[in-house]
Order: sequence, then structure tokens, then C-alpha cells
Amino acid sequence: QVQLQESGPGLVKPSGTLSLTCAVSGDSISSGNWWSWVRQPPGKGLEWLGEIYSSGTTNYNPSLKSRVTISVDQSKNQFSLKVTSVTAADTAVYYCARAVPFNLNQWGQGTLVTVSS
Amino acid sequence: EIVLTQSPGTLSLSPGERATLSCTTSQSVSSTYLAWYQQKPGQAPRLLIYGASSRAAGISDRFSGSGSGTDFTLTISRLEPEDFAVYHCQQYGPSPMYTFGQGTRLEIK
Repeated sequence: QVQLQESGPGLVKPSGTLSLTCAVSGDSISSGNWWSWVRQPPGKGLEWLGEIYSSGTTNYNPSLKSRVTISVDQSKNQFSLKVTSVTAADTAVYYCARAVPFNLNQWGQGTLVTVSS
Repeated sequence: EIVLTQSPGTLSLSPGERATLSCTTSQSVSSTYLAWYQQKPGQAPRLLIYGASSRAAGISDRFSGSGSGTDFTLTISRLEPEDFAVYHCQQYGPSPMYTFGQGTRLEIK
């Protein structure tokens, strides 16, 4: 049974960097799937941020591309998200997810990150 | 970027009734690339339907998807209390790789 677990600070100061990690269990991060980050501001819809393959190849949402970096650590079976220059608009629940062809079939429980001084 | 518009924004129905949720895309998309998710309060989205009409593992046959081109539908045949949630449609590619509709809230009447 695949499980994904997000971790990281729940509070980030404006202009700072948001950093989260997704630990994967029950599947190898090198299994041939892509691994994504999705966020959901309070009371709003879902926004895909980007994805990474085990080789390190990435795809990003153009709307955030300049501020988002996703990386992978095969030795720890995890992948990570960094969002720079955050503002209150980046306050959201952040989810990591496993991508199979054309959809996201396994999700972490999500972690709320609040941007505030 | 392809925009997905879901309607209605909120749907109020009673248990046992049939629910019909719509997702319209701004450009024609392949059915292969259209998926539906269910999200309950405080939980992550859960994949329901992929390829517009295929149920994900463990999903009740009360859920069905249909459609093609720019118009897609999620139907729940007989509403159970646990079905009241928010439903999101999603399309794949080309950039960004995944885009979502704004969601339809299905509430108990």
C-alpha cells in the first residue's frame, strides 16, 4: 500500500522560502512514475505546482516556474518542494501525489503552510 | 492553458437521488486525459474516474463518468450519505501538466 507523507514548517515568513518534503513508502521513487506537488488555498480549488521523475527531470506550472524547485532523493525515497519569495497568497494546504499516466492516483494527507510574520 | 469550468458550483440533493455534475473544457481534450476526484472536508482528493469513464480501484459502481470533446459528466446513481463532498475534474497536459476545475460542492438537501 503506497503512502505519501508531507513534512515541513507550518509557518513561513513573507519573502522567505517554503520547504516541504514528501516521504514515500510502499513504492520506490524510482518505480517509473512521476511525483507531483499540488496546493489548495483555504476554501479554494486545486493548483498543480510541478512534478519530478526519479532521474531528476522536472516539469513546472508556468505560473509559478520562477519560484518553484522540486528535487528528488532516491536514497531516502523522498522528494522535496521549495517555493521562494512567498507571500500570503502562498498560504495553502500542500499535497504531494504520485502520478500515473494522466492522473494523480495516490495523495498524501496534506500539510497546511501559512505565510505570516 | 485549457480552462475547466464545473457546474453547478453547489448541488443540493437528498440521499437516494441521482447527481449529475458537469465539467466543460475551453478546448477539446482527449477522453484519456480527463479525471474526476472526490474530496471530503479535511482530506486529500481521491481519484474516482480516469480516462473519462474508467473507475479507479475500489470505487463503487454508483459512480460513472462519460463525455467527450469539451463536455464531461460525473454521475452518481443513488446518493449515499458518504457521497456528499466536493468533486473536482482534472485534465492532463500539455502545460501545465495538470489543470483542475474549481470544484462542485455536493451538499445534503
